[in-house]
Amino acid sequence: AQRVTQPEKLLSVFKGAPVELKCNYSYSGSPELFWYVQYSRQRLQLLLRHISRESIKGFTADLNKGETSFHLKKPFAQEEDSAMYYCALKGTGYSTLTFGKGTMLLVSP
Amino acid sequence: GAGVSQSPSNKVTEKGKDVELRCDPISGHTALYWYRQSLGQGLEFLIYFQGNSAPDKSGLPSDRFSAERTGGSVSTLTIQRTQQEDSAVYLCASSLESGMETQYFGPGTRLLVL
Repeated sequence: AQRVTQPEKLLSVFKGAPVELKCNYSYSGSPELFWYVQYSRQRLQLLLRHISRESIKGFTADLNKGETSFHLKKPFAQEEDSAMYYCALKGTGYSTLTFGKGTMLLVSP
Repeated sequence: GAGVSQSPSNKVTEKGKDVELRCDPISGHTALYWYRQSLGQGLEFLIYFQGNSAPDKSGLPSDRFSAERTGGSVSTLTIQRTQQEDSAVYLCASSLESGMETQYFGPGTRLLVL
């Protein structure tokens, strides 16, 4: 079975502070991991995927198979980063995504 | 180009009534997905269509839920005899084809069952 756990419902930080949104997964094979973001009154959109190894809007995420984690990090949070963040997993041979319950990030001035 | 569109954007209905939610995927996208977004529950997979293959209905919560996709394009999610616990945002997504491709989400239909 596939499972994605985002332990924090809400993460509140000040502008300029580092931020880490935690994501842990349970899957026996080799997963593909994603982070999706939903800004206020906007549709859900892909932020980044682990296979791309890219940095989007200053965010990075590294897949740690040993710890089964895919935490999302940014060294200096900005107010415009405030949004709902969802971690998602796609298992080998599956076409659908399994999402975590999401973490709301609030960045205060 | 146009993204995924969904209608209606909001739907209020009475318990026991049937509702139909519509999704127009991005033109040319062969894969279409329905998810349900509930407060505190995240996104829950409902059903997946890929081309002319039989849909993956493994996420449908009960037999009151059904979906079809006509002509490989527009999809309709039907909820029969709605219950208050069906209240949620229903999201549709499409992708060029199943697999590695990014899923593009619609704005959702917010359903409230009174």
